Amino acid sequence: GEDVEQSLFLSVREGDSSVINCTYTDSSSTYLYWYKQEPGAGLQLLTYIFSNMDMKQDQRLTVLLNKKDKHLSLRIADTQTGDSAIYFCAESAAGTASKLTFGTGTRLQVTL
Amino acid sequence: DAGVIQSPRHEVTEMGQEVTLRCKPISGHDYLFWYRQTMMRGLELLIYFNNNVPIDDSGMPEDRFSAKMPNASFSTLKIQPSEPRDSAVYFCASRSDRLNQPQHFGDGTRLSIL
Repeated sequence: GEDVEQSLFLSVREGDSSVINCTYTDSSSTYLYWYKQEPGAGLQLLTYIFSNMDMKQDQRLTVLLNKKDKHLSLRIADTQTGDSAIYFCAESAAGTASKLTFGTGTRLQVTL
Repeated sequence: DAGVIQSPRHEVTEMGQEVTLRCKPISGHDYLFWYRQTMMRGLELLIYFNNNVPIDDSGMPEDRFSAKMPNASFSTLKIQPSEPRDSAVYFCASRSDRLNQPQHFGDGTRLSIL
């Protein structure tokens, strides 16, 4: 079945860039998503990328997709303390009728 | 626009009791999903509906769990009888059936079974 993996923890200093990585196994993935979860809240969609794209940029967020290696990354420029949260990578595969497979989440800690 | 609304936000009850979690999806969304989040297992899809019809309930852990969607604006997830291992945060999400639309999540119900 599908599997999505992420590292569990990342610590960066305020103002630096953060790079959160994700690998997936399903080569039929059509869309890949990044969600953010703050304490006590649900998952908030940050951005998503279609599998025929290599890169997508949205303000401070840059998503890079290497389809050959099945590797997805989320870069947050000028990381702020408000970016501290858990970040989930998720993929939807063709023919799965909207089901998403989520990674374990990466906890981002931003230090002063 | 109102997002996905879940109630209650917190529920504490004793094992053996019936628990009912509620969800109101975003108006116009045709898909509704129930997830469970725990430290050990992460985020698991329990069941999802399309146009009020259950499509895939393979993630429902056992017969103690049941979910209904009597109309397009309301769904329930019921646990009867509840057990301590059911303690988790339960999320509801909805999405439009238009192509390429993402899922939108509610703030979850934190359930504690004593």
